Amino acid sequence: SAVISQKPSRDICQRGTSLTIQCQVDSQVTMMFWYRQQPGQSLTLIATANQGSEATYESGFVIDKFPISRPNLTFSTLTVSNMSPEDSSIYLCSGTKREGPQETQYFGPGTRLLVL
Amino acid sequence: AQKVTQAQTEISVVEKEDVTLDCVYETRDTTYYLFWYKQPPSGELVFLIRRNSFDEQNEISGRYSWNFQKSTSSFNFTITASQVVDSAVYFCALSRGNTGNQFYFGTGTSLTVIP
Repeated sequence: SAVISQKPSRDICQRGTSLTIQCQVDSQVTMMFWYRQQPGQSLTLIATANQGSEATYESGFVIDKFPISRPNLTFSTLTVSNMSPEDSSIYLCSGTKREGPQETQYFGPGTRLLVL
Repeated sequence: AQKVTQAQTEISVVEKEDVTLDCVYETRDTTYYLFWYKQPPSGELVFLIRRNSFDEQNEISGRYSWNFQKSTSSFNFTITASQVVDSAVYFCALSRGNTGNQFYFGTGTSLTVIP
């Protein structure tokens, strides 16, 4: 497996503010991703965090709202900007690890965000 | 287009019963990977199994078993002699090719095991 940690584990924020979530992975992870899981829903991919360059965003997600950095192989941040109650979700960081000829995606423990 | 369907939203079973979680997928790719993840109340997603499209051999791991059938595009998951600790949301997922990057998740099945 891969070791992935996130902080904070949870936060309660006021509308209009921003929160930066940090993700640390072990050195065996190749690709890193950020997902959102809204209450009672499945996971939605926000973006692929690219090392040293701009993240690749999925449809419906934009850099101004969810700026992402990945300054090195093992660290990435996701910022949720100008938050509204609709941003209340679990945000998960994930990384892929090659195991033989195949890759598996492992997930961090998630950051539970509540926006008031 | 890729799609994963988990028709069962919620399942409740009594402890020690067997339970099967259904997963049906759609893809036009010839190479793809299927996964099951467990999400307990703590929220962390736990990897359970990966199966590639060329390997239809069923797998058993303790009380867990997986039945992959390409003919019906299904990858079902059975828990034998369920335990309270099995209570969680279970997600089936599909990834394309060998990159492992684009994951398509089902909507999840919430399993409650009643003592």
